[in-house]
Amino acid sequence: SQQGEEDPQALSIQEGENATMNCSYKTSINNLQWYRQNSGRGLVHLILIRSNEREKHSGRLRVTLDTSKKSSSLLITASRAADTASYFCATDGTGANNLFFGTGTRLTVIP
Amino acid sequence: NAGVMQNPRHLVRRRGQEARLRCSPMKGHSHVYWYRQLPEEGLKFMVYLQKENIIDESGMPKERFSAEFPKEGPSILRIQQVVRGDSAAYFCASSPPSAYYGYTFGSGTRLTVV
Repeated sequence: SQQGEEDPQALSIQEGENATMNCSYKTSINNLQWYRQNSGRGLVHLILIRSNEREKHSGRLRVTLDTSKKSSSLLITASRAADTASYFCATDGTGANNLFFGTGTRLTVIP
Repeated sequence: NAGVMQNPRHLVRRRGQEARLRCSPMKGHSHVYWYRQLPEEGLKFMVYLQKENIIDESGMPKERFSAEFPKEGPSILRIQQVVRGDSAAYFCASSPPSAYYGYTFGSGTRLTVV
């Protein structure tokens, strides 16, 4: 299976703290993407990192990718209560458009 | 609304009935993907379609499930003779020919089989 796995499954932090989520995957990829899902809603694309990139920033988000370890991390700095959601990593098979999602990290930010 | 439209939002079916889930992709998007999500779990890939073409259906159960994306109209995910285990949220996403900039997801259809 190409499906990734996020770690931890659940994370609870205080507002203002940083949150780090990890993703491991199994096959070679073209790129890795992170998505966010609020309870009961569809997923929203956050950021994409290509297989030849090691780090990428977007606002309070920082993503790293280590293709030798087949792992990625998502860091959310200065967290806010509105960041409370589930976060998923998604990988593509090389040459394919379809994405395979991990099991998600459920982040709770306590005001 | 330029986003991905899924309907209905909620669908209740009795065991043995048929469920039809519809997805209209974002304007300009020619690729559609269907996923299933069980409570507290991630998304499981089901099928990837282009207009009048199934590209990858490796995630579709062999029986009772089918999908289409006709030349005109929305993509349809059809589940025949539903069973309780089919209860889940079904999400549709769309993308342009390259998914490089990510998918756009619909809000999902929550199917409950009673």
